[in-house]
Amino acid sequence: ETGVTQSPTHLIKTRGQQVTLRCSSQSGHNTVSWYQQALGQGPQFIFQYYREEENGRGNFPPRFSGLQFPNYSSELNVNALELDDSALYLCASSLSQGYQETQYFGPGTRLLVL
Amino acid sequence: AQSVTQLGSHVSVSEGALVLLRCNYSSSVPPYLFWYVQYPNQGLQLLLKYTSAATLVKGINGFEAEFKKSETSFHLTKPSAHMSDAAEYFCAVSDRGSGGYQKVTFGTGTKLQVIP
Repeated sequence: ETGVTQSPTHLIKTRGQQVTLRCSSQSGHNTVSWYQQALGQGPQFIFQYYREEENGRGNFPPRFSGLQFPNYSSELNVNALELDDSALYLCASSLSQGYQETQYFGPGTRLLVL
Repeated sequence: AQSVTQLGSHVSVSEGALVLLRCNYSSSVPPYLFWYVQYPNQGLQLLLKYTSAATLVKGINGFEAEFKKSETSFHLTKPSAHMSDAAEYFCAVSDRGSGGYQKVTFGTGTKLQVIP
């Protein structure tokens, strides 16, 4: 167990709706990263939050947004859902933003957009 | 830009046989390299991590990987496969993104099948 939890485990939405996914990081970890893993693919980096500020973003549009809270929890929000947003969404927490850090992953939220 | 290439999207081995999963990387800085394992419907679990302290890295569940700078490789091996090793394995490289964040790039994964 990594100590990183995510909720919900599964979610079904329809195109155009909005969704919020939640993550609870390991205690003391001030950095959280979010990834999208489409079926049969490796995880793709969405963005990273460090001390409640977004400090890095991958090739994802602005309708993907996030928040990080002081209590080691974070959210991923996706607006105007598209069919291609169907994927496993993973959060990973780490002790800091340094590139030598190990990221510890949660079990993921599987999102299906119909 | 950093990248990771995993050769072979599917690998099949017999139980008790050697496991070899291949990973080649490119990075503009001395890399930090990781192998993760993903079981069906689960998140990623860290197997091992290369941090430049030693070129041969030992991980959990009997896995190890050797960093070869001249070949830009970080192949994962296990001397004897168990049925419980059947899973998908991801190689990843960590770099410093613009602005100082940790940028981790994953390979496309290799599914390991273990045949009894």
